[in-house]
Amino acid sequence: NAGVMQNPRHLVRRRGQEARLRCSPVKGHSHVYWYRQLPEEGLKFMVYLQKENIIDESGMPKERFSAEFPKEGPSILRIQQVVRGDSAAYFCASSPREHTDTQYFGPGTRLTVL
Amino acid sequence: QKEVEQNSGPLSVPEGAIASLNCTYSDRVSQSFFWYRQYSGKSPELIMSIYSNGDKEDGRFTAQLNKASQYVSLLIRDSQPSDSATYLCAGNFGNEKLTFGTGTRLTIIP
Repeated sequence: NAGVMQNPRHLVRRRGQEARLRCSPVKGHSHVYWYRQLPEEGLKFMVYLQKENIIDESGMPKERFSAEFPKEGPSILRIQQVVRGDSAAYFCASSPREHTDTQYFGPGTRLTVL
Repeated sequence: QKEVEQNSGPLSVPEGAIASLNCTYSDRVSQSFFWYRQYSGKSPELIMSIYSNGDKEDGRFTAQLNKASQYVSLLIRDSQPSDSATYLCAGNFGNEKLTFGTGTRLTIIP
């Protein structure tokens, strides 16, 4: 059974560039969550999506960040015009419909902004 | 603001002893709690979930939840060096997203 897959695992961007992070949930899971972990800090919720819908984006910065989970294909977290403070590990988690709070995490994408 | 607090440690425990990790939370409207283990540079791995007051045991792990006192704990019996990791406590307060503590770093001393 394939778990949550994320790519790329490591991403280096220069200030002002765009970062695009991808997440494929566990097969059969229809709920996707994105979390960010800054160095030496806990995980912070960013956004919760179901297919074609953003359910809760209360943890997303108001500017430069967006997320989608299209009908076909992976969920995408997009960061425009990256700044050094965006450097962090970004984790995607998925859950089954019947137990939405039981979340399984992918390996993460470690973003470094130069 | 729903907060989950953990002692950041580090917590050092001799091999074979019981490691006790604690977590408190600030909102009474709690649904469920989870313990994740995170090795350095890796992703969180779900090890225990607990939904109701009392104890839940799974192998060497026991999770305890006390909603009246607003704390949840994780006991690791017969600690092994491979248990050395950061343990994250997370709560679901009824809105699907998990609220995490900052984690407790555990070191098992051979």
